[in-house]
Amino acid sequence: GENVEQHPSTLSVQEGDSAVIKCTYSDSASNYFPWYKQELGKGPQLIIDIRSNVGEKKDQRIAVTLNKTAKHFSLHITETQPEDSAVYFCAASRPGGSTLGRLYFGRGTQLTVWP
Amino acid sequence: GAGVSQSPSNKVTEKGKDVELRCDPISGHTALYWYRQSLGQGLEFLIYFQGNSAPDKSGLPSDRFSAERTGGSVSTLTIQRTQQEDSAVYLCAITSYNEQFFGPGTRLTVL
Repeated sequence: GENVEQHPSTLSVQEGDSAVIKCTYSDSASNYFPWYKQELGKGPQLIIDIRSNVGEKKDQRIAVTLNKTAKHFSLHITETQPEDSAVYFCAASRPGGSTLGRLYFGRGTQLTVWP
Repeated sequence: GAGVSQSPSNKVTEKGKDVELRCDPISGHTALYWYRQSLGQGLEFLIYFQGNSAPDKSGLPSDRFSAERTGGSVSTLTIQRTQQEDSAVYLCAITSYNEQFFGPGTRLTVL
């Protein structure tokens, strides 16, 4: 099965700095890579995703890059704000029939943004 | 998350009792999943329903765990003879437009 590794497990940055979280995956058949933000006491919230037919995707201060050859993908948050503080999870999925298959998750990164 | 509600939000039970956790998804979703998140841990896949296909039960940790989805919509996760190690947040997720969205979860505490 798929194995997703995520680093670092904790990350502290000053407000306004950038934050980068990296993930690797093992299954070359995986083709969908979402990122989730989880705040305390809430379910994970999808913040951005990328599919294997593109190398980069941006949404305002958030960007994700994918290197299929090296089997790694990264989340980049620029101009961080205290409200970006949360646990971030990366995940990978291979096609599951006619729809998305199950997600394989990294172990999470606790991001703290200091004002 | 938008489109998925779960009940109860919190459940405290005694070791050995059975519990049922409920997931109410929006209509039109294409698949439904259950995951488990233990304290400070990542998300562990449990089971996955898609259409009329047999569910993928490969993540269920023991035969005390079972799930069903009625009418292609509401799903119930049942844990029989609960153990303390079952204490976790149980998350339901759905696929809509090829993206996966999570509910708020049920926090289960087994005393």
